[in-house]
Amino acid sequence: DVKVTQSSRYLVKRTGEKVFLECVQDMDHENMFWYRQDPGLGLRLIYFSYDVKMKEKGDIPEGYSVSREKKERFSLILESASTNQTSMYLCASSYNGQPNQPQHFGDGTRLSIL
Amino acid sequence: ILNVEQSPQSLHVQEGDSTNFTCSFPSSNFYALHWYRWETAKSPEALFVMTLNGDEKKKGRISATLNTKEGYSYLYIKGSQPEDSATYLCAFPGGSYIPTFGRGTSLIVHP
Repeated sequence: DVKVTQSSRYLVKRTGEKVFLECVQDMDHENMFWYRQDPGLGLRLIYFSYDVKMKEKGDIPEGYSVSREKKERFSLILESASTNQTSMYLCASSYNGQPNQPQHFGDGTRLSIL
Repeated sequence: ILNVEQSPQSLHVQEGDSTNFTCSFPSSNFYALHWYRWETAKSPEALFVMTLNGDEKKKGRISATLNTKEGYSYLYIKGSQPEDSATYLCAFPGGSYIPTFGRGTSLIVHP
């Protein structure tokens, strides 16, 4: 079974802090994704990566950056956290870029910015 | 951003009821349609991937159909049980193959 592990289930940070959310997958998947989920808005794509050191902006990249130095790890960085980044963050991976490949998700990180 | 719509937004049913909900998506450039189930405090899990017009997939009491020409998929749950309570998401990979998710249908099954 594919395992996608997010480093924290719950995280509380302060406005202006630099925040790192880590995600690791154990199935040698090429693609990795970061989403945020807010009530009534569904899953919105922040960034994705289709290979090591490659990254592409999703629908809402402002205020975020990502890093993929190794194939199994995809990090989301909030450069200077703000209260409007309080949200549930989900990491996902898929085997390759083909449209019939399902995504495998982590358990999510509920981030609160005070 | 592709327009992927799910309805209804939420649904309350009694145990034993059968129910269905809809995902609509652009009818052009169809490659696949995914359904996921997301239970509270768990991660979303893949239910079905549907690729052909007229596809029907089944997993236990849950089934899904696909109409690519008119751009919709139905998810059916027969004889709902409390453990079926979850948010059901559909995802449509467009031209870039990156999936766009609908906002989900939240199902609550009352004992």
